[in-house]
Amino acid sequence: SQQGEEDPQALSIQEGENATMNCSYKTSINNLQWYRQNSGRGLVHLILIRSNEREKHSGRLRVTLDTSKKSSSLLITASRAADTASYFCATDAFGRGGADGLTFGKGTHLIIQP
Amino acid sequence: KAGVTQTPRYLIKTRGQQVTLSCSPISGHRSVSWYQQTPGQGLQFLFEYFSETQRNKGNFPGRFSGRQFSNSRSEMNVSTLELGDSALYLCASSLGSRDSPLHFGNGTRLTVT
Repeated sequence: SQQGEEDPQALSIQEGENATMNCSYKTSINNLQWYRQNSGRGLVHLILIRSNEREKHSGRLRVTLDTSKKSSSLLITASRAADTASYFCATDAFGRGGADGLTFGKGTHLIIQP
Repeated sequence: KAGVTQTPRYLIKTRGQQVTLSCSPISGHRSVSWYQQTPGQGLQFLFEYFSETQRNKGNFPGRFSGRQFSNSRSEMNVSTLELGDSALYLCASSLGSRDSPLHFGNGTRLTVT
């Protein structure tokens, strides 16, 4: 079953605008990760945030984590056409010893209009 | 460093046949995980191997199996193929700790007819 659920399912914005995607999950986690997937290719790791962290930055990416609401958000600033891709959140659940591996949501498909 | 390599890239099989997919991890990575990706179910965890031992297993039938060799390369086998097994199969390698990011290959696109 899916642990993380991204919202929205699809997002289309103009180049240069900021894009925000949200992820909600159900159980306690050790960490939450965001990945990007270009069409028909493998996933690329973007950023990892641990359960005791609230915010993390990497270049144009900003991730927040609210464990009380079991939610995370990914902000991409100053979007570029090359950011067009699907974005997935993945959770590593607490106390399960990684028994289910990372659990991925169904993703947000982001389209950047030139 | 070379990335994760999966072969073959595309595969077409007939219902009832079996198939073997191969994955070569990044040098130094001892963990290899396999995922199935379909439009309907999204990414689903199949299993993880670490140092030649299956460390974790997802909720898939016994027709799905895997193994890892001493050089960390991994193979995944699906027997008695069903139409529903058509999917993109992704392999990912990592150092194997809880906070190690996964490095994915570009996948094997399996079509069962």
